[in-house]
Amino acid sequence: AQSVTQLGSHVSVSEGALVLLRCNYSSSVPPYLFWYVQYPNQGLQLLLKYTSAATLVKGINGFEAEFKKSETSFHLTKPSAHMSDAAEYFCAVTPNSGYSTLTFGKGTMLLVSP
Amino acid sequence: KAGVTQTPRYLIKTRGQQVTLSCSPISGHRSVSWYQQTPGQGLQFLFEYFSETQRNKGNFPGRFSGRQFSNSRSEMNVSTLELGDSALYLCASSSQTSPQETQYFGPGTRLLVL
Repeated sequence: AQSVTQLGSHVSVSEGALVLLRCNYSSSVPPYLFWYVQYPNQGLQLLLKYTSAATLVKGINGFEAEFKKSETSFHLTKPSAHMSDAAEYFCAVTPNSGYSTLTFGKGTMLLVSP
Repeated sequence: KAGVTQTPRYLIKTRGQQVTLSCSPISGHRSVSWYQQTPGQGLQFLFEYFSETQRNKGNFPGRFSGRQFSNSRSEMNVSTLELGDSALYLCASSSQTSPQETQYFGPGTRLLVL
């Protein structure tokens, strides 16, 4: 069975600082990986996804993530945080065959201070 | 294109009642998945429908059921509500059931069981 671990339920950064949100997956075969963002009282919005093309994936709002098979990781980064980035971020996986069921991590709340 | 819509947005029920939630996918999308989001358990997969057939089901009791209509709209039903069913219920649609396809989420229905 697949699983996703997000290290840190809360991450605090200052505006302009680097954002690093960690995600590790557990799967015998590299899965497809996604990062979603959730703003208060809203659904999930896709930031980016890895589907075995390029290992460095660029997403919306300046975010990017790098797939590292040797480390089973897919960490999300942004060079410079903005106040509007404050939200909850979820890493998710689907198997690379079969059903398109998303397995989510517990989420990381990003807090951005001025 | 209009996004995924869910109705109602908010719902208050009492224990023992039943509830029906509705989801209209993005036009042309034939796959609809449902997820439950709670503070304790996070985001959990309920079930997925494709062309009116349930393709996959999560680990939830039989009180949770769903269906999909010929126009791809989907409903989920929860019978004999329990306090623990209080959650945000999210619907997601995608164009097909390939695991790498992006799932687009609606804003959710927030259910409160008293």
